[in-house]
Amino acid sequence: NAGVMQNPRHLVRRRGQEARLRCSPMKGHSHVYWYRQLPEEGLKFMVYLQKENIIDESGMPKERFSAEFPKEGPSILRIQQVVRGDSAAYFCASSPPGQGFQETQYFGPGTRLLVL
Amino acid sequence: GDSVTQMEGPVTLSEEAFLTINCTYTATGYPSLFWYVQYPGEGLQLLLKATKADDKGSNKGFEATYRKETTSFHLEKGSVQVSDSAVYFCALKNTGFQKLVFGTGTRLLVSP
Repeated sequence: NAGVMQNPRHLVRRRGQEARLRCSPMKGHSHVYWYRQLPEEGLKFMVYLQKENIIDESGMPKERFSAEFPKEGPSILRIQQVVRGDSAAYFCASSPPGQGFQETQYFGPGTRLLVL
Repeated sequence: GDSVTQMEGPVTLSEEAFLTINCTYTATGYPSLFWYVQYPGEGLQLLLKATKADDKGSNKGFEATYRKETTSFHLEKGSVQVSDSAVYFCALKNTGFQKLVFGTGTRLLVSP
């Protein structure tokens, strides 16, 4: 059973470009979460999605950031017009449906974004 | 809001030493508590968890007990190995919410 998959693992962008990060949850998981880890810091929640729905986006910056989890295909975290402060590791996690708030989140290996 | 406080690192130990990494939390309600471990260049792996007061989570020789009276979830291991060198994150998830709230992480360095 493959784990959570993220690609690319490393992404380099110049200021003003777009970054598109992909996450495929574990098989059977329908809940996806995105977290950001700034250098030498803990992870900060960004957004929680279920298929075709954004459930909680309280951690998402108001501008330039968006996320989706379509009916088919991976979840996408999109960052428009990147700035140097967006340089971070972005982690995706997934969990199975319907088990309440106690279910475990399983993390992917992350995408390390570097903005030049 | 909910928060998690961990002891600052790095924690430097010799192999076979006893490990304690302190973690305290602030939360309304009755959160579940977690320890995750991150090895260099990798994502987070769940180490152990506890879902209610007095529960003890354990895995790979690591243990942590959910102490509601002291709002703590300290991580312990009786004898560390070099392979335990990693960053350890304490986290909580509160009732009615799906997001994990993480501490800042504690780096553990174990020397032979």
